[in-house]
Amino acid sequence: DGGITQSPKYLFRKEGQNVTLSCEQNLNHDAMYWYRQDPGQGLRLIYYSQIVNDFQKGDIAEGYSVSREKKESFPLTVTSAQKNPTAFYLCASNEGGGNTEAFFGQGTRLTVV
Amino acid sequence: EDQVTQSPEALRLQEGESSSLNCSYTVSGLRGLFWYRQDPGKGPEFLFTLYSAGEEKEKERLKATLTKKESFLHITAPKPEDSATYLCAVQAGGGGNKLTFGTGTQLKVEL
Repeated sequence: DGGITQSPKYLFRKEGQNVTLSCEQNLNHDAMYWYRQDPGQGLRLIYYSQIVNDFQKGDIAEGYSVSREKKESFPLTVTSAQKNPTAFYLCASNEGGGNTEAFFGQGTRLTVV
Repeated sequence: EDQVTQSPEALRLQEGESSSLNCSYTVSGLRGLFWYRQDPGKGPEFLFTLYSAGEEKEKERLKATLTKKESFLHITAPKPEDSATYLCAVQAGGGGNKLTFGTGTQLKVEL
């Protein structure tokens, strides 16, 4: 089955630690995205990548970093510089080129302890 | 700046009681408007894409329509399994393929 796999489903981080969230897709999509979802707020774009080895900052990139070394993988690192990292993180992908729907993974819930 | 406003924030319906959800948008050059369904603790599930004013799409009890300023998601004779949060998003020209989301409408359908 084609789809987007995020891991882990739940993640706990101590203050001051960096953590990396995994996102893998086997849909052969060019573009991949990371969103953050907080209660009462819409999904907010963190980073996106339209092609391998290239990515752009979204609306709330501070405290986050990404890489896109392979077409199917787009890991997100939440660094210690992110002051309020507790949230639900969603990875998505689409074919790119405009006018195409994005498909989402099942999310990773990150909690700072 | 692209903006998406959804209303109401929450809606409670009786089974079989039809209603509509609203998505108002402000965007520079709309390339597409998307509706998603999200269950608690899950990722959004794609429902519809609308590209131009006047366009309509249907899927089971759901029908999405689009005007130049807003979109409606009509739910006909809803069932409890339609309970979820419905998200609206827009894709603007010149912004790559990124989507701007509204905050969603939380729908609960009761027996």
